[in-house]
Amino acid sequence: NAGVMQNPRHLVRRRGQEARLRCSPMKGHSHVYWYRQLPEEGLKFMVYLQKENIIDESGMPKERFSAEFPKEGPSILRIQQVVRGDSAAYFCASSPQGHGELFFGEGSRLTVL
Amino acid sequence: GESVGLHLPTLSVQEGDNSIINCAYSNSASDYFIWYKQESGKGPQFIIDIRSNMDKRQGQRVTVLLNKTVKHLSLQIAATQPGDSAVYFCAENGYNFNKFYFGSGTKLNVKP
Repeated sequence: NAGVMQNPRHLVRRRGQEARLRCSPMKGHSHVYWYRQLPEEGLKFMVYLQKENIIDESGMPKERFSAEFPKEGPSILRIQQVVRGDSAAYFCASSPQGHGELFFGEGSRLTVL
Repeated sequence: GESVGLHLPTLSVQEGDNSIINCAYSNSASDYFIWYKQESGKGPQFIIDIRSNMDKRQGQRVTVLLNKTVKHLSLQIAATQPGDSAVYFCAENGYNFNKFYFGSGTKLNVKP
């Protein structure tokens, strides 16, 4: 039973480009969470999604960031017109229900030049 | 937002000693807490959890203690091993049971 799969593991973008991060939850999990982590800091909640629905996006910046979890396929975190401050590790987690333990992926590390 | 903080940012222990990592939380509505371990370059791994109706929970070499009166959590690791070297985070579910709030982490260094 594969765990949470994230790709790419590393992504380099220039300022103004777009970044797309993908997350496939564990089999049987329909709840997906995205967290952001800056170096030497804790994880900050960004967004919580279920299939085809955004449940809580209170941690998402108002501009340039969007997330989706379509009926088929992985969840996508999209960052438009990236800036250097977007450089961080982005972690996806999933759970079988909307509460309880979160299972994390290995993260996608975005570097903006 | 919620506040989950740790008392010690870095902890160095000798191999074989016991380690204690502390965490303070601010939301009295939190009823579920998790300790995660994060090794360099990897995602957080679940260690142990505890619900607010418990004061103590034990796993293999790890024990979590919860003091709701002072909103304090601790993680005890018995006979610390080099493989325990990592950053440890506590997380609480706050007032919103659908998401977790993480502390800034404690780095555990185990000296051989």
